Amino acid sequence: ETVLTQSPATLSLSPGERATLSCRASQSFSNHLAWYQQKPGQPPRLLIYDVSNRATGVPARFSGSGSGTDFTLTISSLEPEDFAVYYCQQRSNWPLTFGGGTKVEIK
Amino acid sequence: QLQLQESGPGLVKPSETLSLTCTVSGGSVSSGSYYWGWIRQPPGTGQEWIGTIYYSGSTYYNPSLKSRVAISVDTSKNQFSLKLTSVTAADTAVYYCARHLAGAPRSFDYWGQGTLVTVSS
Repeated sequence: ETVLTQSPATLSLSPGERATLSCRASQSFSNHLAWYQQKPGQPPRLLIYDVSNRATGVPARFSGSGSGTDFTLTISSLEPEDFAVYYCQQRSNWPLTFGGGTKVEIK
Repeated sequence: QLQLQESGPGLVKPSETLSLTCTVSGGSVSSGSYYWGWIRQPPGTGQEWIGTIYYSGSTYYNPSLKSRVAISVDTSKNQFSLKLTSVTAADTAVYYCARHLAGAPRSFDYWGQGTLVTVSS
């Protein structure tokens, strides 16, 4: 099983700042890495799929990158609605697995 | 607009079987372009993939749950279902149904709102 480790656990930032979230995998793979945003009481929302492709309707301030075992979600300038928990997820290797999440909170 | 809705009991006794159904509207589970999945999220923690099904009936299960899980599809009702046997308190979670992105069972682009299932006597 591919274990995904997200860091940091919590990121305290102000609106307008840049957020950089990390997802490290226990095994190397090249694609099928996704990022989700989740707010309290809501299901996850797909932001990025296949490492760097934005899902429909996702603002351009969200971008994904990486390969091998290290992947990054970048939010270029935080908007008030971006404060939430973010999860990475892979399906390059079965079983499909999720990371433990990074909470982006208002500083 | 595609919508998914989970339904089923919110309380299940230990050792019994958890049964949930996902009703799809605004789209068809029979579409050959999509796979359909179940994911759960215990309170205060992250998600765990349970399994995935294709309209033909082909299934993929998480090995950690495989001995207790069965996912089925009913194309006539546009639904797919989850059964989890011999439940314990560790199975208490919000259960989501979701659609995989087109073409392969990788990420999930549409999710239901989720339903909380509590395992307790």
